[in-house]
Amino acid sequence: NAGVTQTPKFQVLKTGQSMTLQCAQDMNHEYMSWYRQDPGMGLRLIHYSVGAGITDQGEVPNGYNVSRSTTEDFPLRLLSAAPSQTSVYFCASSNGLAGGNEQFFGPGTRLTVL
Amino acid sequence: GDSVTQMEGPVTLSEEAFLTINCTYTATGYPSLFWYVQYPGEGLQLLLKATKADDKGSNKGFEATYRKETTSFHLEKGSVQVSDSAVYFCALSDYNTNAGKSTFGDGTTLTVKP
Repeated sequence: NAGVTQTPKFQVLKTGQSMTLQCAQDMNHEYMSWYRQDPGMGLRLIHYSVGAGITDQGEVPNGYNVSRSTTEDFPLRLLSAAPSQTSVYFCASSNGLAGGNEQFFGPGTRLTVL
Repeated sequence: GDSVTQMEGPVTLSEEAFLTINCTYTATGYPSLFWYVQYPGEGLQLLLKATKADDKGSNKGFEATYRKETTSFHLEKGSVQVSDSAVYFCALSDYNTNAGKSTFGDGTTLTVKP
């Protein structure tokens, strides 16, 4: 199993550009999430999904869109990039079983917005 | 809402020293508790977990006990190695109230010197 994969690993954008960060998992997990990691602020939840066709907002959703058309894929779209979106983005999946909800993380996408 | 507070870093220790990283949580339900580790340039990976009160999670010499009475999940290791240098995140997840989502602390950076 590849686990959780993310592309690209690095990206530089200019203010106002749009792009999509790709995330895929091959573990048949129901739950998928997007987090951003900023120095001294831990991980903050952007959007999450509890299954194909179902998404919801997290703590910091503004400026981002998601969709979940399949169990495997959960892309994150930046609509109009801003310097405040410079961050490291992590996708994660989990099986959501009661008694434990371990998150499996991808390697991250490092985004710089100029 | 749920929250996690962990010991501020950075923490610098000599090899073979004893490690404690404090973590306390606030939750309305009965969450599972986790410690994740992040090595430089990588995503987070599960270090250990505990799913109910008084459970002890352990892995690679690290231990943490789920203390409901003090709402704590402190990470300990008796003798750290240089290879333990990483960022450590305490997290909680309550499948019954927030399936698929986790709440993370801000992370504690550990540096172990030879």
